[in-house]
Amino acid sequence: GESVGLHLPTLSVQEGDNSIINCAYSNSASDYFIWYKQESGKGPQFIIDIRSNMDKRQGQRVTVLLNKTVKHLSLQIAATQPGDSAVYFCAENSGGSNYKLTFGKGTLLTVNP
Amino acid sequence: SQTIHQWPATLVQPVGSPLSLECTVEGTSNPNLYWYRQAAGRGLQLLFYSVGIGQISSEVPQNLSASRPQDRQFILSSKKLLLSDSGFYLCAWSKIAPQLYNEQFFGPGTRLTVL
Repeated sequence: GESVGLHLPTLSVQEGDNSIINCAYSNSASDYFIWYKQESGKGPQFIIDIRSNMDKRQGQRVTVLLNKTVKHLSLQIAATQPGDSAVYFCAENSGGSNYKLTFGKGTLLTVNP
Repeated sequence: SQTIHQWPATLVQPVGSPLSLECTVEGTSNPNLYWYRQAAGRGLQLLFYSVGIGQISSEVPQNLSASRPQDRQFILSSKKLLLSDSGFYLCAWSKIAPQLYNEQFFGPGTRLTVL
């Protein structure tokens, strides 16, 4: 079946560097995407979302890029901090339903001081 | 502001015992409600969702059931737990239509260990 997947399961960066977390999706009907951050033992926390009529959206220190041509989504974190260490999930609204999200496997981001 | 609660936070149960996990949402009305399970180091698997009182949709066949006795209460149950039911259970809510795109907000989760 169609699914959301991640290119890299782990990512290690130095404090202060920029981080880029990637996600590939296969459902061309997906029209809404979300990035979540999950710290150990906690529930996922909403970071930023983007609709398919956009290719870029910025938040505080975070930017999401959407490339519909190659079905690719990325999350950029500027000036990564130790508190950014967590697992990051992308999720897609799988077209035709505004109720359900399909989640990717997640990328573990480790920020080294 | 809206908040979502789950309890208990952790639970250790023997195989064959019953289960009841509770989720409540405050600060909103008529939300969509969801139950997910997350295995260690894995993504989130949608188990059930509900768009209204008494309305439950099951995503995967399993040993669990869900109920929504009140607008902002969602319960996950089992009559007899299996070892494979161990995991991190997350409840989430989202706003309903007419908004087409709705992010989901997650609770703190319940860590269930079946021995």
